[in-house]
Amino acid sequence: DAGVIQSPRHEVTEMGQEVTLRCKPISGHNSLFWYRQTMMRGLELLIYFNNNVPIDDSGMPEDRFSAKMPNASFSTLKIQPSEPRDSAVYFCASSFGQRNLYFGPGTRLTVL
Amino acid sequence: TQLLEQSPQFLSIQEGENLTVYCNSSSVFSSLQWYRQEPGEGPVLLVTVVTGGEVKKLKRLTFQFGDARKDSSLHITAAQPGDTGLYLCAGPISGGYQKVTFGTGTKLQVIP
Repeated sequence: DAGVIQSPRHEVTEMGQEVTLRCKPISGHNSLFWYRQTMMRGLELLIYFNNNVPIDDSGMPEDRFSAKMPNASFSTLKIQPSEPRDSAVYFCASSFGQRNLYFGPGTRLTVL
Repeated sequence: TQLLEQSPQFLSIQEGENLTVYCNSSSVFSSLQWYRQEPGEGPVLLVTVVTGGEVKKLKRLTFQFGDARKDSSLHITAAQPGDTGLYLCAGPISGGYQKVTFGTGTKLQVIP
């Protein structure tokens, strides 16, 4: 079975550019989560969706970050404009109900 | 605010040694989970403990949930190089649907 799929795996961009990260959750899962991982702050929850509806976006750093889930099989996390401090590994995870989280392989973002 | 503190932060040991990793909080958790993350990959769930005082074993790994459900430990017997990775504890935050916070992490290196 395919796990959580994220693309791209690596992204290098320049400050001020728009960045879009993509996630395909595991089929049948109804919850989707976006996390960010850095050395300084560890793994932080940015936003999560339940049945395609955003439930809690209190972890989104600022208005430059936005996330959408147009259907049960696709979500995007967009940063516009990007800044060097946004450099991190971004993980998407999915789950069914209140069960275990399944993480994707992550997208390593570098903003120059 | 980081609700889950892990210790030690880093651990480098020889193959065959035993070790214990701790996860502490001032808050009570309904359950705690342990994940292992290998370089370039997302965290993978190892175990969930739900009852105060509960002990679970996964081959050479022993997980314990504190009686007061504020702390947990992970003990590895006769560590192997394949145990190398980042170990993360995680627990649900009240007031959110499946809103999970992660600990600060323990980076383990097992030297052959």
